[in-house]
This record gives sequence, structure tokens and C-alpha cells, in this order.
Amino acid sequence: RKEVEQDPGPFNVPEGATVAFNCTYSNSASQSFFWYRQDCRKEPKLLMSVYSSGNEDGRFTAQLNRASQYISLLIRDSKLSDSATYLCVVRLNAGNMLTFGGGTRLMVKP
Amino acid sequence: DADVTQTPRNRITKTGKRIMLECSQTKGHDRMYWYRQDPGLGLRLIYYSFDVKDINKGEISDGYSVSRQAQAKFSLSLESAIPNQTALYFCATSDSGVRTYEQYFGPGTRLTVT
Repeated sequence: RKEVEQDPGPFNVPEGATVAFNCTYSNSASQSFFWYRQDCRKEPKLLMSVYSSGNEDGRFTAQLNRASQYISLLIRDSKLSDSATYLCVVRLNAGNMLTFGGGTRLMVKP
Repeated sequence: DADVTQTPRNRITKTGKRIMLECSQTKGHDRMYWYRQDPGLGLRLIYYSFDVKDINKGEISDGYSVSRQAQAKFSLSLESAIPNQTALYFCATSDSGVRTYEQYFGPGTRLTVT
């Protein structure tokens, strides 16, 4: 079983739609969670951290469910520029490395 | 100018050849990393370095070696390239404070081994 699993997609949505991705992780001792974004043929970049209480950054909302070991990313009012691959990232603790999921591809259509 | 640069950006090489990928950064970060990315497998850590005198193996270090020549430079070598090392390689940096999880990636090197 992969340590971090994501539906690879693609998720094809129209502009203005709301879309959500989930990611599951296998190690229940994991402490920190993040979403990175990777544009086609580009490098990954940090999108947002995921806090236990959930957090929002503009149109983006991240949630953590420790009991079920999954994190989610919700994008409201999708823009064409949101088209990218979203990488779920988990870290065991501050001294450990990041573990990346395989990514979920989002395509927003006009 | 980019904060993290990688050279070359693309490379085609033959099986058995030695190849070096180079990474330089101007962010002043202590920590540097090498990853490879394969379709559907995500980014996998090859080696990482917390400072010039520190080198650590990652998840998939077999067939690779690294050198941390200076705080700003971290190179990855494939001693004898094989076709299953065909992948997209990323170098990344992070600071050593509370935001070590925020890694800054270079533009990547697309390596093809024939």
C-alpha cells in the first residue's frame, strides 16, 4: 500500500464549479499535512498547509480527518488557472522528510 | 533569476554512461534534496543534505550518489545509467527553521537513458 494515495483523475470541471479532492495516508502517526500544486512540466510549489481544525485560503479549503486518515482540498469557483496537478504531502514529524502522493490532475474548462 | 537552478534541463544518455546533474541555489538555505518523479508514483526522495558535511540516503538511493560542494551546490550522479532511471529529476531546498516543510524546487531535469 502506498503511504500517500490520491485519485490521479483527471477531474474535468467547468469554470465556476466547486471541486474536491481527497487523499489518504497510511501512517497514523503522521503529524503534518500539506497540499502542493504542480503545473504541467513545472516544479511543485507549496499551496497550503492543512491544520487539524481545517483552514481556508481564499477559494481553497483544506480539511484533515485523523480518524479516517484522509485530507481533502476543496476549490470553490474554479478558474482556468486552477488547472494543475495537486500533490498531497505528509510528514511524520518535524525531523522527517516529506512523502508525496502521486497527484490529482484538475482540468478546468471554459 | 531563479532561486533554484538545475543543469542540464534535458539530457539523453546511453546505458552505462556516467552522468551528473547539478543544482545551485541562491536562497541561502541549508537543506537540499534530490527527488525523481515518475508518472503516477509521485516524487520520491533520492538523497538529502542538511548542511555541507551532512549527506543522507533517501527512499531510492541505489544507483545514485551525491556531492554537496558548498552550501549552495548539490549535485547528483548516476555512476552507470540504466533505462529505468529515465525520469524527471528535481532538486529542492528548504530552510532549517519551522518552515522546513516548504520546499523550493528547481525547474527539473528531464533525463532519458536509452
